[in-house]
Amino acid sequence: GQQLNQSPQSMFIQEGEDVSMNCTSSSIFNTWLWYKQDPGEGPVLLIALYKAGELTSNGRLTAQFGITRKDSFLNISASIPSDVGIYFCAGAGGTSYGKLTFGQGTILTVHP
Amino acid sequence: NAGVTQTPKFQVLKTGQSMTLQCAQDMNHEYMSWYRQDPGMGLRLIHYSVGAGITDQGEVPNGYNVSRSTTEDFPLRLLSAAPSQTSVYFCASGAGQGFSPLHFGNGTRLTVT
Repeated sequence: GQQLNQSPQSMFIQEGEDVSMNCTSSSIFNTWLWYKQDPGEGPVLLIALYKAGELTSNGRLTAQFGITRKDSFLNISASIPSDVGIYFCAGAGGTSYGKLTFGQGTILTVHP
Repeated sequence: NAGVTQTPKFQVLKTGQSMTLQCAQDMNHEYMSWYRQDPGMGLRLIHYSVGAGITDQGEVPNGYNVSRSTTEDFPLRLLSAAPSQTSVYFCASGAGQGFSPLHFGNGTRLTVT
């Protein structure tokens, strides 16, 4: 099946710092999604990207759909303690949910 | 509005036992799916359904059965539990074609001894 490599696996940062994480794929994707998971809960969608080169923001979060369609990036600016959690990228090569592939996740810890 | 409801929240099984993980959504979503989450491996798709009466296999379907008799419910059955099925299971639903947001339940933590 399709493989997604997400990095870094974990990050320990100070409050106020900016954060960057990325996902790369061995295959071309038509859609990239970024989710956040809080402890004990299911993932929640942060940003959806539908077009190569697209740059989309959601508050302090910005994500980009790579031009090659094989990668995506998520940046968090001015981190705060509630940013703590696991961030997942997900990609789909088709036009339906059935082929959605998730990355391994980035565990983010923010020290006050 | 409850969204996606999963039961039970926790379950311990012995090897060989069977059980059903329940998932219900009240958003009239056509698409429903089951994922398992294991450390360092992200979420892997087990089975999914694009509507009542229609199911299909995902990435890791072996050892699991599903059915979709109604739009609201999408139960996941383990016929003979194995320790390799120890995991956290998430049910998710979505509105249909395209990528309107997937709504996840809060998960079922299953341990097989």
